[in-house]
Amino acid sequence: GAVVSQHPSRVICKSGTSVKIECRSLDFQATTMFWYRQFPKQSLMLMATSNEGSKATYEQGVEKDKFLINHASLTLSTLTVTSAHPEDSSFYICSAPRAANTEAFFGQGTRLTVV
Amino acid sequence: GQNIDQPTEMTATEGAIVQINCTYQTSGFNGLFWYQQHAGEAPTFLSYNVLDGLEEKGRFSSFLSRSKGYSYLLLKELQMKDSASYLCAVRVSSGGGKLIFGQGTELSVKP
Repeated sequence: GAVVSQHPSRVICKSGTSVKIECRSLDFQATTMFWYRQFPKQSLMLMATSNEGSKATYEQGVEKDKFLINHASLTLSTLTVTSAHPEDSSFYICSAPRAANTEAFFGQGTRLTVV
Repeated sequence: GQNIDQPTEMTATEGAIVQINCTYQTSGFNGLFWYQQHAGEAPTFLSYNVLDGLEEKGRFSSFLSRSKGYSYLLLKELQMKDSASYLCAVRVSSGGGKLIFGQGTELSVKP
């Protein structure tokens, strides 16, 4: 079964509103989680590294004030897309390694559509 | 910088063998992964190489040459359900284990 759970799987929101996506590790503690974004027919682009108990590390070109990441516990990281615009419509996926230098498990992904 | 290259598209015939290549140039290397992704779904893990050589897992095998910055994924006895995107990803040494992905190879298996 899944070891990383992501919720919701699909969300439609209006322009200007905020959307929160949750990523949970189910049977292990994840001090680090990763957030990716994938546009149609493109590969996964790393957005940020979520660190439990400290600030997230954002990749170049990713607006930290627009994509708020909170990793308040060892099993939960959240990504909030603030003031969403249609160009934010994408597939957002989280991943977490069970331990350092091991395979990273992926959540099911969240299809965000901003109308 | 980070650069991972793989072909954009490939086509193969059911029952045949196909090899998907991946070359990489990254700042640090701590393993190479192959994932399969069907449209609209999250990637699923296929294989992992950290040392040079061939790793075999059923119909799938993956090869790594660190000195050449090169890997390939070999799929044998192709089935229609193998039609998917195949992603090559490198785990870099820094950044807590983050993966950098190639653009993905869209494989179409024809009857």
